[in-house]
Amino acid sequence: EAGVAQSPRYKIIEKRQSVAFWCNPISGHATLYWYQQILGQGPKLLIQFQNNGVVDDSQLPKDRFSAERLKGVDSTLKIQPAKLEDSAVYLCASSLGAGPGDGYTFGSGTRLTVV
Amino acid sequence: KQEVTQIPAALSVPEGENLVLNCSFTDSAIYNLQWFRQDPGKGLTSLLLIQSSQREQTSGRLNASLDKSSGRSTLYIAASQPGDSATYLCAVRPGTYKYIFGTGTRLKVLA
Repeated sequence: EAGVAQSPRYKIIEKRQSVAFWCNPISGHATLYWYQQILGQGPKLLIQFQNNGVVDDSQLPKDRFSAERLKGVDSTLKIQPAKLEDSAVYLCASSLGAGPGDGYTFGSGTRLTVV
Repeated sequence: KQEVTQIPAALSVPEGENLVLNCSFTDSAIYNLQWFRQDPGKGLTSLLLIQSSQREQTSGRLNASLDKSSGRSTLYIAASQPGDSATYLCAVRPGTYKYIFGTGTRLKVLA
């Protein structure tokens, strides 16, 4: 089974520029998550999709972050304009469902540095 | 509000030692709990998932236990190896879809 694919692996941008990250979940996984992990901290959920729809985006800074999941498969996360505090690893995860036996599978992450 | 705490934040042990990593959570109403490993600069690798109805799960040298009533989980690593050096993260699913993560325990196994 192929894992969760993310790209790019690394990105360095200047503040106020825009950036986009891409995620392809495991085939058949209906639920997709974007997490932000700041150095030394645990991952924090930004947004959760169930198929095409948004289930939870309560911690997404909507003035600068946006995300979409077209056709219930791939997803993109965009930041525009970026701030220094957005420097973090952006992790995508997917899960088959929400049953007690369903856990997350994570991608390798995208390390963003804003200078 | 569910909060997850992991103690210690960092741990250094000699190779071959058995060790225990601790995870505590404030709300016992969880759906499941998952332990992850994270290598520097990498994503998270799932180690063990314990459903709320289970008490423990084992995989190779790893054993994870869950005591919901006391809000605790432990990850036991037997006969530690330098290759076990990584950050170990505990995450709980409080009945909704999303996981809430602890800040991790950074483990270093010395050869």
